[in-house]
This record gives sequence, structure tokens and C-alpha cells, in this order.
Amino acid sequence: QVQLVQSGSESKKPGASVKVSCKASGYTFTTYAINWVRQAPGQGLEWMGWINTNTGNPTYAQGFTGRFVFSLDTSVSTAYLQISGLEADDTAVYYCARAHLHYDFWGQGTLVTVSS
Amino acid sequence: DIQMTQSPSSLSASVGDRVTITCRASQGISTYLAWYQQKPGKAPKLLIFAASTLQSGVPSRFSGSQSGTDFTLTISSLQPEDVATYYCQKCNSAPFTFGPGTKVDIK
Repeated sequence: QVQLVQSGSESKKPGASVKVSCKASGYTFTTYAINWVRQAPGQGLEWMGWINTNTGNPTYAQGFTGRFVFSLDTSVSTAYLQISGLEADDTAVYYCARAHLHYDFWGQGTLVTVSS
Repeated sequence: DIQMTQSPSSLSASVGDRVTITCRASQGISTYLAWYQQKPGKAPKLLIFAASTLQSGVPSRFSGSQSGTDFTLTISSLQPEDVATYYCQKCNSAPFTFGPGTKVDIK
């Protein structure tokens, strides 16, 4: 069965970096894009961008350029989201989702908390 | 960029009621619209794609329709397990913007 399993919660200080993983199983990893979605506490879903799992080419939404990096390790069917220079406003749950137009499978979410 | 709006932002209805949520795109997106259900503390779940196609395993009380740039999610008979926030999303091209959400609870 298709699964996306994300890494566990992280607690970081401002200025630090974090890397969230999203491991796919149950399907051929390179046949679907991986998208990333942020949800700040009590807020809605915010599309961050996507990565082409065939080419590794990332596309970032406005507001997610510079400090945010999407990457892949296709040998282990895993996508990564790295955030550098963490700020308090980065505190959120980050989701990965398998995408072919719509998102039919989602990871369970990774809570990143940024606090001094 | 195309903007997505939803109405209402929240609603309260009785078990068995028919519930309708509307999503409007600021420009045409053909049928490239999906609906998701998110329960507290959980990842979103795909309900409807291509505006009106029910995802496998989703109860038939959920349905989607379209009129131009207006899209509707209907729950034909609200059940207690339907308490959740519902989001629409444009799926035609980047940015794949979500609507702001509609919170549904039981009266």
C-alpha cells in the first residue's frame, strides 16, 4: 500500500537549520511529484512548492525561496525539505504529498517548533 | 496568480442536514479542482478530484459540482464523523493554491 512516512518532530532555536524527510513506499517513487505544504498553528494549508522526482527540479512558491530547499534521494525513495535560518514564524506542521494534479496520499506531517 | 475563496468560513448543522460549501476561483481553471477534508491533528484527506470525481473509499454522501469558476462540495446527510475543515485546491498549474478552508461542526 502507498505510504509517505515523515521524520519526527523537531525543536530548534532561531537561526538553526532543519531537514525533514518524506519516505515513500508502495509505488514507483519517480512516477509522482512530491509537493510540500505548510500549516502554521491554527491556520490553513499553504502550498510551498514541488519537486519533480524524475529530474530533481524544484519549484518554489512565492515566500518560500532562499531559505527553503527541496531535494531527493531516489535510491531510498525519499524527499527532503531543508529550512535554514529558522525564524519563529517557521513554526508549523510540514506535510509532503504525492501529486498527480491532486494529492492522493499525504505524509503524517512533521511539527517544527522554533523557539529560543 | 489565481485566487481561491471559500464560503462560508464556518458552519454549524444538524446530523442529517444537507451541507453545501462553495469555492470560487478568480479565473477559469477548467475542472482542475480538488476538495480535501482535514480533521484536527491529522493530515488532509482527498475527497474529490477533477471537480466532481469521488476518490476511492470516500462515502457517497460527498459530491462535487461546478458552474464556471464556482465549485461546490455537498454533504448530502451530515454525519458526526464529518466534523472537520474542508479545503479546495486549484490543480491546473502552479501555484497550486488552497482555499482558506471551511470549518464544519455539529449543531
